[in-house]
Amino acid sequence: DTGVSQNPRHKITKRGQNVTFRCDPISEHNRLYWYRQTLGQGPEFLTYFQNEAQLEKSRLLSDRFSAERPKGSFSTLEIQRTEQGDSAMYLCASILYGTVNTEAFFGQGTRLTVV
Amino acid sequence: RKEVEQDPGPFNVPEGATVAFNCTYSNSASQSFFWYRQDCRKEPKLLMSVYSSGNEDGRFTAQLNRASQYISLLIRDSKLSDSATYLCVVTHNNNDMRFGAGTRLTVKP
Repeated sequence: DTGVSQNPRHKITKRGQNVTFRCDPISEHNRLYWYRQTLGQGPEFLTYFQNEAQLEKSRLLSDRFSAERPKGSFSTLEIQRTEQGDSAMYLCASILYGTVNTEAFFGQGTRLTVV
Repeated sequence: RKEVEQDPGPFNVPEGATVAFNCTYSNSASQSFFWYRQDCRKEPKLLMSVYSSGNEDGRFTAQLNRASQYISLLIRDSKLSDSATYLCVVTHNNNDMRFGAGTRLTVKP
């Protein structure tokens, strides 16, 4: 257990439904990242936060995707009007930015299946 | 062109073999480099950082060539437990991390 918690672990949803995932990072970590990973591929960057500020969004993040980190602690990733192509593992990672040790700790991910 | 590219693999090697993976990156302003390991259906975990002068951690050696924009990972005396996917990670000046697609290694008895 890395200390990064993601919920739910699995989500099956019908196409067109909205889904929301939650990530609880390591408490003292100020940076939080969201990635998407499909089978046989590495994690693809979606977005990241420095405290509560969203600093960058990938062009992979269409208008249907939104992420928040309202109090600089946990974060949520919402996908609206899900499509089958959204099926993937959604990974969250956190780091303590600004220190020498910038090891990223990942949660176990949320596996989304859109049927 | 992808920001971070890796040998596609898979690499299937016998126990005790030496295996090397390469990774190239496109952004010359990249600042930090890492190798992560990902076991099947698990989250990635840091294997080692890659320093400019090269660094070694037991059977693992990482090297960085900034001029050619590539990093490498060498595994000596492969063990069955080394079987995993190895992910190359590059960060830019604001520390946003970019991952390669990964190289899958299978070590066989």
